[in-house]
Amino acid sequence: AQKVTQAQTEISVVEKEDVTLDCVYETRDTTYYLFWYKQPPSGELVFLIRRNSFDEQNEISGRYSWNFQKSTSSFNFTITASQVVDSAVYFCALSEGGNTPLVFGKGTRLSVIA
Amino acid sequence: NAGVTQTPKFQVLKTGQSMTLQCAQDMNHEYMSWYRQDPGMGLRLIHYSVGAGITDQGEVPNGYNVSRSTTEDFPLRLLSAAPSQTSVYFCASRAPGSGYNEKLFFGSGTQLSVL
Repeated sequence: AQKVTQAQTEISVVEKEDVTLDCVYETRDTTYYLFWYKQPPSGELVFLIRRNSFDEQNEISGRYSWNFQKSTSSFNFTITASQVVDSAVYFCALSEGGNTPLVFGKGTRLSVIA
Repeated sequence: NAGVTQTPKFQVLKTGQSMTLQCAQDMNHEYMSWYRQDPGMGLRLIHYSVGAGITDQGEVPNGYNVSRSTTEDFPLRLLSAAPSQTSVYFCASRAPGSGYNEKLFFGSGTQLSVL
């Protein structure tokens, strides 16, 4: 069965610091997709990125970057030069082949202090 | 397009009452699902549907019923509410034909309190 572990429950950083959110996943499938979602204090869920199991290239989008390593079953998320607006709960999620549901980790609450 | 619409946004129930959380999407998505979010527990899947007339259980289905008579609507029913069902509920849908690789579109959530 698929599983996503976000071991960091809460992280607090000072503005402009870099921060990495960890995500470790378990799956028996060779084809799967990994996701990151952001939930700001307003409560909505915002899609950040999708990565398939065949593409281990790291991705950068502005201050955000993602490191996918199949060897360690990890899909970590780094925010460079963090800002107060980055304060949110971040969820990592996994889906397997076919029409299977998305399984979420328990989330990491990030607080960026000015 | 309105996307995924959930109603109501807030609801307070007494133990034993029944109610239906509504979810509608106007994107012709075949896949729809319900999650509940509790502090420290992340998002847990309650039920999901891959098309009209087809539903399946998720991780925490007990105490909830669903049906899918149309592509647009996927209501979640609480037959006899319990305090353990106090939570924030999210409905989500996914584009047709894309299988597992497309992102979920989420509704804005329903905050439910059962006293």
